[in-house]
Amino acid sequence: EVQLVESGGGLVQPGGSLRLSCSTSGFTFSSYEMNWVRQAPGKGLEWISYINSRGNAIYYADSVKGRFTMSRDDPKNSLFLQMDSLRVEDTAVYYCTRGVANWGQGTLVIVSS
Amino acid sequence: EIVLTQFPGTLSLSPGEKASLSCRASQSIVSNNLAWFQQKPGQAPRLLIFSASTRATGIPDRFSGSGSGTEFTLTINTLEPEDFAMYYCHNYGSSIRTFGQGTQVEIK
Repeated sequence: EVQLVESGGGLVQPGGSLRLSCSTSGFTFSSYEMNWVRQAPGKGLEWISYINSRGNAIYYADSVKGRFTMSRDDPKNSLFLQMDSLRVEDTAVYYCTRGVANWGQGTLVIVSS
Repeated sequence: EIVLTQFPGTLSLSPGEKASLSCRASQSIVSNNLAWFQQKPGQAPRLLIFSASTRATGIPDRFSGSGSGTEFTLTINTLEPEDFAMYYCHNYGSSIRTFGQGTQVEIK
């Protein structure tokens, strides 16, 4: 069974940093492209970043470009999102996804003073 | 960036009725890499349709997707009580992916 489990969310002050992790199991992680998608409270879905299976193509939404860094560790079957210079508007539930097919349950990030 | 516009914003229907949800793209979507998701409150989105018209594993056949290029439709035949939820279309055919703003299907 494919499983994606996000962790690392929490409360952080504006300007601070946070590192999200997505631990995966049930599939050959190194063979799949992955994404991070977020959802602000009461709002719609927002795609924020993509990484291909080889890790040599990474794309970001304009809203996070230059502040967020996506990476993967294939031996550990894990995906990461380093979030720097956080803003109040980054407050959201963050999901990791395997392609379009599988989603984790999300981790909540709250940026507030 | 391809902008996806979903309409209507809200669809008020009764169980047993048919729902038609539209998604219009600002540019043609490569290889019709358009997906539809269902989301209920407090839950992660669930994939319904990918490649514009292919049902995901375990999705009932009352859900169908159609369209190509810039115009796409999700049809739900004979709405069941559990189908009342938010629906999103998603472009994954370009390096910058996007979601539509969503259509809420509510009980009339």
